[in-house]
Amino acid sequence: DVKVTQSSRYLVKRTGEKVFLECVQDMDHENMFWYRQDPGLGLRLIYFSYDVKMKEKGDIPEGYSVSREKKERFSLILESASTNQTSMYLCASSLSGGIVYEQYFGPGTRLTVT
Amino acid sequence: AQSVTQPDIHITVSEGASLELRCNYSYGATPYLFWYVQSPGQGLQLLLKYFSGDTLVQGIKGFEAEFKRSQSSFNLRKPSVHWSDAAEYFCAVGYNTDKLIFGTGTRLQVFP
Repeated sequence: DVKVTQSSRYLVKRTGEKVFLECVQDMDHENMFWYRQDPGLGLRLIYFSYDVKMKEKGDIPEGYSVSREKKERFSLILESASTNQTSMYLCASSLSGGIVYEQYFGPGTRLTVT
Repeated sequence: AQSVTQPDIHITVSEGASLELRCNYSYGATPYLFWYVQSPGQGLQLLLKYFSGDTLVQGIKGFEAEFKRSQSSFNLRKPSVHWSDAAEYFCAVGYNTDKLIFGTGTRLQVFP
């Protein structure tokens, strides 16, 4: 069974802190994604990785960076957390090649920045 | 620009009633189409998908969706809603890249 796990379900951080959100998939998927979900705005893509050490900016990359050192792990980094980064963060993964494959999602991390 | 529209932000139905959630996409090329469901505090779960072939697709939990090219729509339906169907539903579209474009979601409330 496909599984995407995220390191924390809930996280509370202070303004200015460096925050790491971790995501691990066990399906050997090439693609991994980080989304931000806010009420009324749906899911917005922050970053996308299509291979180890490869990344592509999504629609809202400002204030975020990512790291993918191993195929199964994709990290989202908030270099200096701000209150407007309080949100639900969702990680997903998918196969790659030929068609647009469905994405499999983790349970999400609800981040509060105070 | 490519976009996905879910015109209904919030829908309320009685248990046992039929359901239709609307989804429209903007780009002309035939897309890959998906419906996801999100229960409170959870990630997204795939309900069904359309790539090609029969335009009526069946999914999990008794849901189905119909692709109508002439209307650029991919509406989700269920003949009889259960209280456990209360959740948020997202339509998503892909076009020859690995990225998906998501709609803003429809929140479904079910009354007994």
